[in-house]
Amino acid sequence: DTAVSQTPKYLVTQMGNDKSIKCEQNLGHDTMYWYKQDSKKFLKIMFSYNNKELIINETVPNRFSPKSPDKAHLNLHINSLELGDSAVYFCASSLRPGSTDTQYFGPGTRLTVL
Amino acid sequence: AQSVSQHNHHVILSEAASLELGCNYSYGGTVNLFWYVQYPGQHLQLLLKYFSGDPLVKGIKGFEAEFIKSKFSFNLRKPSVQWSDTAEYFCAVNYMFSGGYNKLIFGAGTRLAVHP
Repeated sequence: DTAVSQTPKYLVTQMGNDKSIKCEQNLGHDTMYWYKQDSKKFLKIMFSYNNKELIINETVPNRFSPKSPDKAHLNLHINSLELGDSAVYFCASSLRPGSTDTQYFGPGTRLTVL
Repeated sequence: AQSVSQHNHHVILSEAASLELGCNYSYGGTVNLFWYVQYPGQHLQLLLKYFSGDPLVKGIKGFEAEFIKSKFSFNLRKPSVQWSDTAEYFCAVNYMFSGGYNKLIFGAGTRLAVHP
């Protein structure tokens, strides 16, 4: 009965590879997010989708492409991985995209690029 | 640009000591305020939030926070910490932007270590 789940939990890969991280929420929420947490634990939003539509797209390299096949899923595909992409990626969801809506976070995916 | 500052990066306390973690945010009009906690190896969990009303909000596990609008602050407090409170604490502010969208901006986090 996990609320927001991510797979995989750990991902170790070589520079230049392409990888995907999957996120699913069973809360019935309309809005989903991707955050990046760097080595200093600083969390920053990357993307936000509401009802499968992109609503926030921060200054993120084009190598990162989110895809939302339905409201319950938001996947993150990363092309041509670089060393600087190593981080923990958190998916989150909220009922709506409003500022009073609490965001619920997944367990994170620790990506290590060698 | 909107930003959130957490003054203490590392805090070390003994059990039963009182805790206060500072959080200040830059002015940005209407804001909503949150404190999240991340226990070792776990995901972020909501501790408490403030939208309006009584500026002193109570959260889970005995935590509370006070919103002081004039100081743009939302400090987190707990009268008596336990070893199990060892975690990373994040202050977050949801700013509303023109165009109707909003964005949750996090502080850098405060790592709390509680010694038995």
